[in-house]
Amino acid sequence: GQNIDQPTEMTATEGAIVQINCTYQTSGFNGLFWYQQHAGEAPTFLSYNVLDGLEEKGRFSSFLSRSKGYSYLLLKELQMKDSASYLCAVSDSNYQLIWGAGTKLIIKP
Amino acid sequence: IAGITQAPTSQILAAGRRMTLRCTQDMRHNAMYWYRQDLGLGLRLIHYSNTAGTTGKGEVPDGYSVSRANTDDFPLTLASAVPSQTSVYFCASSERAGEDEKLFFGSGTQLSVL
Repeated sequence: GQNIDQPTEMTATEGAIVQINCTYQTSGFNGLFWYQQHAGEAPTFLSYNVLDGLEEKGRFSSFLSRSKGYSYLLLKELQMKDSASYLCAVSDSNYQLIWGAGTKLIIKP
Repeated sequence: IAGITQAPTSQILAAGRRMTLRCTQDMRHNAMYWYRQDLGLGLRLIHYSNTAGTTGKGEVPDGYSVSRANTDDFPLTLASAVPSQTSVYFCASSERAGEDEKLFFGSGTQLSVL
């Protein structure tokens, strides 16, 4: 079966760095997405990786290793507004997205 | 403001009743999707439409139907609601169906079936 694994919850301190991991087992691979979802709101797009390596976008970076079925989202200089759930999703061989359950990130002052 | 509009925002429904969740986008996106989000689970695809006039079944289509008469609208109908359909429903769109297409989501409909 297809599976996406992420930690359920993480806690970090304002101003620090946090890494949210995502491992996947899917039938085919056509890219990996990260979305941010604040409580009670819709998910919003953060990043897309299809090739191995690190993609940097401001305070957020996303890394992919296709051979290991592994990705991480790195958040630097954490701000209170970064408190949200972070969703990992993989596009499978049919270009359908398989979603992880999300990682709830709690930022403490 | 361009985007996706869903209605209603929330609804309490008696089991056995019929309900249509509305979704409209003004971005002229070709592809549209309906997802449900349940606590502890990832988003699950109910139905999708790659272009106006076509629809397809997702991971959890049973008990739901959709139509795509035009580019902008993609309503989701529950013919006879059951309590297991209690969930948050998100409509989404993308410029086209494809591997690198990011999704734009509506604000969601919280549905409770009693």
